[in-house]
Amino acid sequence: QKEVEQNSGPLSVPEGAIASLNCTYSDRVSQSFFWYRQYSGKSPELIMSIYSNGDKEDGRFTAQLNKASQYVSLLIRDSQPSDSATYLCALGSSNTGKLIFGQGTTLQVKP
Amino acid sequence: NAGVTQTPKFQVLKTGQSMTLQCAQDMNHNSMYWYRQDPGMGLRLIYYSASEGTTDKGEVPNGYNVSRLNKREFSLRLESAAPSQTSVYFCASSEVGGGGTDTQYFGPGTRLTVL
Repeated sequence: QKEVEQNSGPLSVPEGAIASLNCTYSDRVSQSFFWYRQYSGKSPELIMSIYSNGDKEDGRFTAQLNKASQYVSLLIRDSQPSDSATYLCALGSSNTGKLIFGQGTTLQVKP
Repeated sequence: NAGVTQTPKFQVLKTGQSMTLQCAQDMNHNSMYWYRQDPGMGLRLIYYSASEGTTDKGEVPNGYNVSRLNKREFSLRLESAAPSQTSVYFCASSEVGGGGTDTQYFGPGTRLTVL
């Protein structure tokens, strides 16, 4: 079993809708979780980080963490075509001190 | 403030050739990382350097070597390139290190093709 699992997609949503991206993980020790956005041909850039159970909101983005169920999700409200990208989930392992990435979910927002 | 820079941007090698990928950061970060990204595989850690003078293996270190030249620079060397090393290589840096709570900042990537 991979340590971080994401559905590769593509996930297609209409403009203005809510996009929901999910990530499950197997390392119960992980304390920190990150969502990176990567446009085609570009490098990853951080969107959100979350460390505690519950929701964390930043503009149109909300990260949700449930450590008991070992999943983290990213909601994008009022999706725009400019949100079309691959979204990478990553967790920081306190054991190894390294980031472990999922394979990414491709999001397509259609006008 | 350039952030994380990488050279070259593109490279084509023949099997068996060697090359060094260069990475530099101007954010005074302690930790630096090398990843490779293949279709459907996400980012996989090759090597990292938690601080100047230290390096450690990541998930896929075979066929690579690294040098932390100073606090700013972290190079990745392919001694004898193989087609399986065709990939996009990203360098990243973070302030404190360990990935626990730090944001990692990525360079623009090097697209390497081994024929």
